[in-house]
Amino acid sequence: AQKITQTQPGMFVQEKEAVTLDCTYDTSDQSYGLFWYKQPSSGEMIFLIYQGSYDEQNATEGRYSLNFQKARKSANLVFSASQLGDSAMYFCAMREGHYGQNFVFGPGTRLSVLP
Amino acid sequence: EPEVTQTPSHQVTQMGQEVILRCVPISNHLYFYWYRQILGQKVEFLVSFYNNEISEKSEIFDDQFSVERPDGSNFTLKIRSTKLEDSAMYFCASFRGPTYEQYFGPGTRLTVT
Repeated sequence: AQKITQTQPGMFVQEKEAVTLDCTYDTSDQSYGLFWYKQPSSGEMIFLIYQGSYDEQNATEGRYSLNFQKARKSANLVFSASQLGDSAMYFCAMREGHYGQNFVFGPGTRLSVLP
Repeated sequence: EPEVTQTPSHQVTQMGQEVILRCVPISNHLYFYWYRQILGQKVEFLVSFYNNEISEKSEIFDDQFSVERPDGSNFTLKIRSTKLEDSAMYFCASFRGPTYEQYFGPGTRLTVT
C-alpha cells in the first residue's frame, strides 16, 4: 500500500490564485513527521514546511501553511497568491519510525503557474 | 545558513565501473540518508545511517551499494559495479533528530554509459 498519496499528478493555476496541494498518508506510528519539498526544474530539493504529528497548530512557514487533519491523515500544502516562480514539482513526504529512520516520498504534483 | 553539500555535481561513468558519491551533511546532524531519483520519476529511499551504522535500507540498496562515514564530516555512497539503470540523481540528506526538518544536498547526477 502507498504510504503517501498525492492525487494531483499535474495542476495548472493562474498567477495570483491560491493553491492547495493534496497529500494523504498512511502510518500506524503515533510519532511521525510530514514534510513538503519543492523541486524546480533545476533539480534541487528545497524544504518548504514541516509538521510533527504531535503539533496541535498547523505549521506555517512564510507563504506556506500546512493544513494538517490528523484524523483524516491528510497534510495539504496551502499557499496564497501563486507566483510564476512557484512552478515546480512538489513532494509530500513522511518520516516515521522510533528514530525517524523511515522516510518516504509521495509521487509528487507538478504545479504550473500560468501568467 | 548551513547546508548539505555533494560532490561531484555530475558524474559520467562506464557500466561496470565503481563510483563514489560524496556528501558533507550539516555538522550537528546525526541522521543521514541517500535517495535516488530517476529522471521524471519519484524520489526513492535508499538507506538511512545513524550512529555509524545503517538503520534502514530499501530493496534497491543491494550488495552493489555501500555507505561509509569515513571521518567526522563526509558521508559516502559507493556503487561497486554500475549498471545502466543506476543512472539517476542521487540526493544526500541529513537531519538533527526525529522531530527536525530534513535538508537535502543539491544532488549528484550519475550517468552510466
